[in-house]
Amino acid sequence: SQQGEEDPQALSIQEGENATMNCSYKTSINNLQWYRQNSGRGLVHLILIRSNEREKHSGRLRVTLDTSKKSSSLLITASRAADTASYFCATDGNRDDKIIFGKGTRLHILP
Amino acid sequence: ETGVTQSPTHLIKTRGQQVTLRCSSQSGHNTVSWYQQALGQGPQFIFQYYREEENGRGNFPPRFSGLQFPNYSSELNVNALELDDSALYLCASSSTSRPYYNEQFFGPGTRLTVL
Repeated sequence: SQQGEEDPQALSIQEGENATMNCSYKTSINNLQWYRQNSGRGLVHLILIRSNEREKHSGRLRVTLDTSKKSSSLLITASRAADTASYFCATDGNRDDKIIFGKGTRLHILP
Repeated sequence: ETGVTQSPTHLIKTRGQQVTLRCSSQSGHNTVSWYQQALGQGPQFIFQYYREEENGRGNFPPRFSGLQFPNYSSELNVNALELDDSALYLCASSSTSRPYYNEQFFGPGTRLTVL
């Protein structure tokens, strides 16, 4: 079953602009993670935000978490061509140890 | 520190055959999780191995099985291959049996095509 759902499914922006993608989930969580995947290869962990945190920063990344709305957003500032990738949110299933990925947002940075 | 490696990179099999995929976990990690990723979809959790024991399983039939060895490397075996098994298979290692508490380190994946 799908826990997280990213929105939009696809996003194209000009280099230098900010990119925002959202994730909604259905049941309460312990943590939420964001991963990046380039061209169908392995995933790279970007950031983990715990359920008692509201905002977290890492370099050009900013993640927010609203547990009352069961949603999270990932903001990439000053986008670069190298940011072109698919971005996935992943949440725990709350009742077991597995994590569940959404379908992802495909981000394309235009030169 | 070596990263997560997977072999082979690509594999082509026919329906009904059996396949074994391999994963070497990152140094110091005792947990390996396997995921199936169909084209255009997010990774789906298959199962996790922690200290050589299966420790959690997703909604996959028993023909998907695995092993973890004393050095924490792992194998994924799929019997009686079906066309829908065509996917990218990812393994991820972590230093905890609760991956949602910590980041997972992913390998580059094995692309399996079933004809």
